[in-house]
Order: sequence, then C-alpha cells, then structure tokens
Amino acid sequence: DIVMTQTPLSLSVNPGQPASISCKSSQSLLHSDGKTYLYWYLQKPGQSPQLLIYEVSSRFSGVPDRFSGSGSGTDFTLRISRVEAEDVGVYYCMQGIHLRTFGQGTKVEIK
Amino acid sequence: QVQLVQSGAEVKKPGASVKVSCKASGYTFSSYGITWVRQAPGQGLEWMGWISAYNGNTNYVQKLQGRVTMTTDTSTSTAYMELRSLRSDDTAVYYCARDDQLLDYWGQGTLVTVSS
Repeated sequence: DIVMTQTPLSLSVNPGQPASISCKSSQSLLHSDGKTYLYWYLQKPGQSPQLLIYEVSSRFSGVPDRFSGSGSGTDFTLRISRVEAEDVGVYYCMQGIHLRTFGQGTKVEIK
Repeated sequence: QVQLVQSGAEVKKPGASVKVSCKASGYTFSSYGITWVRQAPGQGLEWMGWISAYNGNTNYVQKLQGRVTMTTDTSTSTAYMELRSLRSDDTAVYYCARDDQLLDYWGQGTLVTVSS
C-alpha cells in the first residue's frame, strides 16, 4: 500500500503571509501515461472536503491562484502565497495511482 | 450543476448493518465512478473504496473487505454503500464523491453512530 506522509501536521500563519505543506509518498506517483496522480484537498470546518489541485499542479475550477502545487515522483508541495482567513481548515494530499490514500492532514489556522 | 445528496444520519447497534445512499444529479451518472471516504470523529480522511457506475466494478480497501459492499442503481442515479457487522470504531461521517480520477464533487456526508 502507498503511504502518504504530510508535514507539518499543523501550521499557524499570519494573514497575508505564505504557507507551505509537504507531502511525500512511499512510491512514485508517476504513471506510465505520463501523469502524476497527486491531489490536494481542503476540508474547511464543518464542511465536506473540496478539491484544490489535481495532477500535482493544476488548479481546480474556481480555486484562487494564491494556491499552487509542485513536485514530482514522491515529493510534493502545496503553497499558499498569501494566507487569508477563509483558508483555515485541514489540507490533505491524496495519491491516485494505486487505489487512493490520503495523507494524515495538515491543520492550518490563522494567528 | 453537479450535486451528490446523501441519506440522513443513522444510529446502529454493534453487529448491525447500515446502508448509505448517494443520489447524483447534474451529470451523466454512468460516465463516472463513485468513491466512498469516511472520517472518524476528530480524525483524517480514510478511503473506503470505489465503484464504477458504468459496469459496477469495485475496489475496496483491504481492511474492509468482506464487510463492505458498494452498488449503484443507474435508473435512479444513486450509489449505495453497505457496511455490515458494525463496530464502535465504524462511527464516522461517510462521504461519497464523484470519481474521475480526481474527486471533484462531494456529498454532504452521513453520520453513522454505532452504539449499544
């Protein structure tokens, strides 16, 4: 089974400051079709998860451009260029190359 | 617009079964899969399994094999997740999500409480 490991598990950020979350997979997420099946989700308090980023770096419809994803193989990063109050919640990475596995989640709060 | 509407909260006794529904609208149901994810209180997201609404093929997480069954009814655009032999650690919010590799639309969640 593929294990997804996120760091840090919690993050406290001043509004307007950047934030970064790391996600490492136990196996490469690069498929033979050339795509890398790594996704980022945000679960705001009391809500269902919502898709932010797919295939490492593509923003889903309606996602602000302050969110960006990068990485390759087994190492990935989600960056928020300027954190806003509405960005609080738990961020999860998920692999989709073999079934699905989520990371443990990273809780982001505003200072 | 795409919507997934799940059935209401359930309270079950240990050893019982629960069947959660997920009614889809706003897209061609049989063109996508449905993934089920659960979240125990205060915990992270756990992928449970996937079903193709096209042909009914399924994949389940190993730890739930033998206790979970996912089905679809294309006539009503509804997906179902049945979990049997419930235990206290099955207490969780259960989510369905449309699956086209990415999980782009999610249901509102169904709280299942297992308690004697």
